[in-house]
Amino acid sequence: TQLLEQSPQFLSIQEGENLTVYCNSSSVFSSLQWYRQEPGEGPVLLVTVVTGGEVKKLKRLTFQFGDARKDSSLHITAAQPGDTGLYLCAGERHNQGGKLIFGQGTELSVKP
Amino acid sequence: NAGVTQTPKFRILKIGQSMTLQCTQDMNHNYMYWYRQDPGMGLKLIYYSVGAGITDKGEVPNGYNVSRSTTEDFPLRLELAAPSQTSVYFCASSIDGNYGYTFGSGTRLTVV
Repeated sequence: TQLLEQSPQFLSIQEGENLTVYCNSSSVFSSLQWYRQEPGEGPVLLVTVVTGGEVKKLKRLTFQFGDARKDSSLHITAAQPGDTGLYLCAGERHNQGGKLIFGQGTELSVKP
Repeated sequence: NAGVTQTPKFRILKIGQSMTLQCTQDMNHNYMYWYRQDPGMGLKLIYYSVGAGITDKGEVPNGYNVSRSTTEDFPLRLELAAPSQTSVYFCASSIDGNYGYTFGSGTRLTVV
């Protein structure tokens, strides 16, 4: 069983479209992080959210942490081919020694 | 700064062989982690360490061993390689899990 469920697993869209990726759990997390991974490389941290209801914006990317701290979303406005990659959400539960639990990932392809 | 350095980048092992995956970080992070990544499964924690001399098992430790004699180094040992250990292995470090991980670029291991 996957503690963090990401959806969708695959997403193929045209340049300029908007999209939302979801990360859901029945568990409460002290923080939720989003990473982007390109082929042959390790994941790179995009953002960390720690407060229930928190919204963070990074250029065309908007991240939200659910009020109950059990879910998160990543919204991309006007997607570009450079956004193509694997997006991973990861959560830390309280007193877990900094260990992160990762979702399965969302493979995004943005076509020109 | 080099960040997190993993070697080798690629390796093919025969069943029953042993090897050590090297991981070094130059950020003076206390927390270090080993994850494996399989298609559609996200990242699974193998072992982690909260400081020199301290290690603990993660979600999938069987068939692996680690040591942490210095803050910088966190090698992962495979004693008797099995086909089920074919995967991409990532080492990561952090100041604190809440503030995100820095990942290495990974080791792609194939056991035949």
